[in-house]
Parts: sequence; C-alpha cells; structure tokens
Amino acid sequence: DGGITQSPKYLFRKEGQNVTLSCEQNLNHDAMYWYRQDPGQGLRLIYYSQIVNDFQKGDIAEGYSVSREKKESFPLTVTSAQKNPTAFYLCAATYPGGTGELFFGEGSRLTVL
Amino acid sequence: GQSLEQPSEVTAVEGAIVQINCTYQTSGFYGLSWYQQHDGGAPTFLSYNALDGLEETGRFSSFLSRSDSYGYLLLQELQMKDSASYFCAVRDDKIIFGKGTRLHILP
Repeated sequence: DGGITQSPKYLFRKEGQNVTLSCEQNLNHDAMYWYRQDPGQGLRLIYYSQIVNDFQKGDIAEGYSVSREKKESFPLTVTSAQKNPTAFYLCAATYPGGTGELFFGEGSRLTVL
Repeated sequence: GQSLEQPSEVTAVEGAIVQINCTYQTSGFYGLSWYQQHDGGAPTFLSYNALDGLEETGRFSSFLSRSDSYGYLLLQELQMKDSASYFCAVRDDKIIFGKGTRLHILP
C-alpha cells in the first residue's frame, strides 16, 4: 500500500530526554512536512522539506530538529529544549504543483511525564 | 505574518446546509485547500481552489475569491458522519493551516 508511515503511534518520555519520531513514505513525493497539533487546535508547522538534503523551519521550529537524507524519510527529533512537547505530531507528504494535496500519516502522540 | 481565520465552531441540523468561512492573510498564495479531521484521526483532503469560483465535489463545494482573500466550504445534505473538524489551508512555498472549525450536527 502506498502511504505515509509514522512510528511510534504512542510514545512516553521523561523530561530532559530527546525522542525521535519516524516518518517514511513510499509515494515518491518530493516534499515532506511535520505539524504539531494540540487539543482543539489547528496544525502548526514545525519543519518542511521540499527536496532531499534541504529543509526549512516552520512557525514553531524551536526545540525540534529534522534531517532529510533520503527522499523516503523525514525523521523529527523532539529535543529537551522543547518546553511543552506533549502533543499529537503529524507527518505529511506532497508533490510540487497540482493541488498540493497533503497525504498524512496516522500521527504520533507524544506524552512527556 | 501569515494568518488564517475561521470560526471555531458551527452547529447545524442533519440534512441541512452549512457554510464554513475562511479568510487569509499570507505573503504568497497558490491556492486554498480544505481538510476534514475526525477525532483521533489524521486530516484528509477535501478540495482545492487555485482560481476564483466554485468547485463542486459531491455534497461538498468550495469557493474562492482571491481579491477578497476569502473562501468557504459548503456542505450539503448533512449527515451525522460529517461531524468533524474542518481546516482551511493556504499553499505558497509551504502549507499553513487555520485553527479549524468544529462542526456539530444535531439529529
């Protein structure tokens, strides 16, 4: 099946620990995105990448880091510098041009204890 | 800066028609999209407008006025399964979302 795979689906971490969320796609789309969603809130852009080996900060990049070494993969690291990391994280991919439709993974729910 | 404004909640009756508005202020603009998200799930794409006018897809229609930086999503023949959050999103060199509109449907 073609799509976006995020893992883990649920993750618990202690304060002060870094954690990496995985996002893999087999849609062959160039662009990939990470969003954060808090309860009752919209999707806020963390980082996005239009092409391999290149990425840009979104509106709330502080405390997060990404890499884009392969077209298929766009992992997100939530660092200890992120003050309030408990949230629902969504990864998506899209192709340039056309409608720009975002194809989303099922999300990763991170809880900091 | 960039911002998208949409109502936080809308309530309608099953079988009726509802319109969800979105106004945007962005530095660039390629098009306006709409997404649906059920509780606990991921957003799914509904429609896209790059040019002024109305786009119809089954019970859902979306409208855009670029000169007014305004669009709306129209849902007809509402069904209980349409109870969800609806997000508008603007595409320029990236894709930015509004805060979402929670649609409540009464039987």
